[in-house]
Amino acid sequence: QLQLQESGPGLVMPSETLSLTCTVSGGSISSSTSYWGWIRQPPGKGLEWIGNIFYSGSTYYNSSLKSRVTISVDTSKNQFSLKLGSVTAADTAVYYCARFHSNYDGEYFHQWGQGTLVTVSS
Amino acid sequence: AIQMTQSPSSLSASVGDRVTITCRASQGIRNDLGWYQQKPGKAPKILIYAASSLQSGVPSRFSGSGSGTDFTLTISSLQPEDLATYYCLQDYNFPLTFGGGTKVEIK
Repeated sequence: QLQLQESGPGLVMPSETLSLTCTVSGGSISSSTSYWGWIRQPPGKGLEWIGNIFYSGSTYYNSSLKSRVTISVDTSKNQFSLKLGSVTAADTAVYYCARFHSNYDGEYFHQWGQGTLVTVSS
Repeated sequence: AIQMTQSPSSLSASVGDRVTITCRASQGIRNDLGWYQQKPGKAPKILIYAASSLQSGVPSRFSGSGSGTDFTLTISSLQPEDLATYYCLQDYNFPLTFGGGTKVEIK
């Protein structure tokens, strides 16, 4: 059974870079029917899609974050990562990684990590 | 980017009630829409994909309908365990966009 686990610092200083890694287990990140995504949720608010990556390295980003976001993949480690630069308090959120199933039958976020709270504060 | 407008933002209903949540896209998205359930403190879970396909393991009281710009999630008989916030997500194109969410409470 595919599982995802986020890891990274829970506290980031303002203006610095938030870095998170998602480790995929129970399946290959090099699947042709999967994209790998990051979604965040500020405390008490709704879900916001950050971006997706395919194992080949193709990326798709939320235009509102595009200038600050980089998503990368390491197939040798079965991991993908998120970097968000120049963070402010508005970037405080629970960050989820997830597998985006993409096939003839449909597209949807199928498996999710448990989420990790990242607080931006000095 | 495609805007997804979800309504209502919250509702309160009794066990056994029929509950309907709607999502409207700012442009046509065929049937490229999913519905997700998020229980308090948990990650979201896919309920419905391709507007009307029930994800394996999801109770049959959940159903989805719609195409183009207007979509509906229906819970035919609300159960106590359905306490959650529900989100739509368009996957017609990137950037993917979520609706604002509907918080479902049990009376």
